[in-house]
Amino acid sequence: DAKTTQPNSMESNEEEPVHLPCNHSTISGTDYIHWYRQLPSQGPEYVIHGLTSNVNNRMASLAIAEDRKSSTLILHRATLRDAAVYYCILTYNAGNMLTFGGGTRLMVKP
Amino acid sequence: DVKVTQSSRYLVKRTGEKVFLECVQDMDHENMFWYRQDPGLGLRLIYFSYDVKMKEKGDIPEGYSVSREKKERFSLILESASTNQTSMYLCASSFSRLGLHDEQFFGPGTRLTVL
Repeated sequence: DAKTTQPNSMESNEEEPVHLPCNHSTISGTDYIHWYRQLPSQGPEYVIHGLTSNVNNRMASLAIAEDRKSSTLILHRATLRDAAVYYCILTYNAGNMLTFGGGTRLMVKP
Repeated sequence: DVKVTQSSRYLVKRTGEKVFLECVQDMDHENMFWYRQDPGLGLRLIYFSYDVKMKEKGDIPEGYSVSREKKERFSLILESASTNQTSMYLCASSFSRLGLHDEQFFGPGTRLTVL
């Protein structure tokens, strides 16, 4: 299985943009890149996903490197409610399964 | 809103007991999943199901079984609970197996303690 590497933690100031990196150097051509986040005492929540092109939705943007070996989740204006653990995950064709690694704990300072 | 509910938020059981964790989703999703979450290990897939009465093993199925008799309900069964099954259990669902990269919707989790 292709694995992902993320920093253990990051800090941001409220209302500033946040760039959360993810390395996935062994990604295969058919792997999608998904991001989920988990707020304290809650189940994970889908954020965004993509294959090759950059993606935008109401929550965030996903920037994917041209060689697909890394990606960056961008929160355009961090709020206190964005404090969570963010997981970068690769999904593969065989069954829509998610394998979560350790994630990045994002702390947002007022 | 999609809702995935789990029968209990907290559960305490004794070693050797049979434990049932129930999960219900209300959006007619085909896929349902059971994960466990442990500190330092992230989420690990135990079992998943892509149709009624269908099941497939995930990464760590040992010590667990599942049942899917109705589309909306997916049960995780610990036949004989052991202390190493103390964990947070998370259920999830997604729309269709054909949409292999659909987002998954998670329930709030059940924190199980086995004494």
